[in-house]
Amino acid sequence: AQSVSQHNHHVILSEAASLELGCNYSYGGTVNLFWYVQYPGQHLQLLLKYFSGDPLVKGIKGFEAEFIKSKFSFNLRKPSVQWSDTAEYFCAVKLYNTDKLIFGTGTRLQVFP
Amino acid sequence: DTAVSQTPKYLVTQMGNDKSIKCEQNLGHDTMYWYKQDSKKFLKIMFSYNNKELIINETVPNRFSPKSPDKAHLNLHINSLELGDSAVYFCASSYDEGELFFGEGSRLTVL
Repeated sequence: AQSVSQHNHHVILSEAASLELGCNYSYGGTVNLFWYVQYPGQHLQLLLKYFSGDPLVKGIKGFEAEFIKSKFSFNLRKPSVQWSDTAEYFCAVKLYNTDKLIFGTGTRLQVFP
Repeated sequence: DTAVSQTPKYLVTQMGNDKSIKCEQNLGHDTMYWYKQDSKKFLKIMFSYNNKELIINETVPNRFSPKSPDKAHLNLHINSLELGDSAVYFCASSYDEGELFFGEGSRLTVL
């Protein structure tokens, strides 16, 4: 069965530190890839997405992610985090030509001032 | 102006009761979804409808029944509520291969 793995369950950083959150998926076909963010008490919002083309995609709030097909990975990065980045981050994979979006288990990011 | 709206936002009820959560989207999307987020924040798809037709039905108990009167609405009815049904339920919509737009969630607490 297709699955999405986020190996970092809980990440604690100080402001200005760099961030990288891992995401791996298990599916050999074409996929669309997403990162969503859920701020405390809020709904999920799209950070960025990859459908095709340049494997390095830039999203909102200074986030970027790189699709490495050979590694089935789509890691999220930010060079310098802020306290306001404290949230839950979800990687998600949509199998091509389907409506099914599969989420990873999420990574809780806490940023301290 | 809310793109995907759900009601109610909070629902507290006793075991054995029947309850419904409503969802409406004004984005003109053809596909709508229900996701369940458990206490560990894990998000699992429950159902997906495309233009009023059920296209995804994950291993969800029969007590859960989605209903889509038109492509802008997808309601979730739950019979005989159990403690394990306590969760946040998110409605979402999407166009074709695009990203999902989520509602604000409905927090269901079963006592």
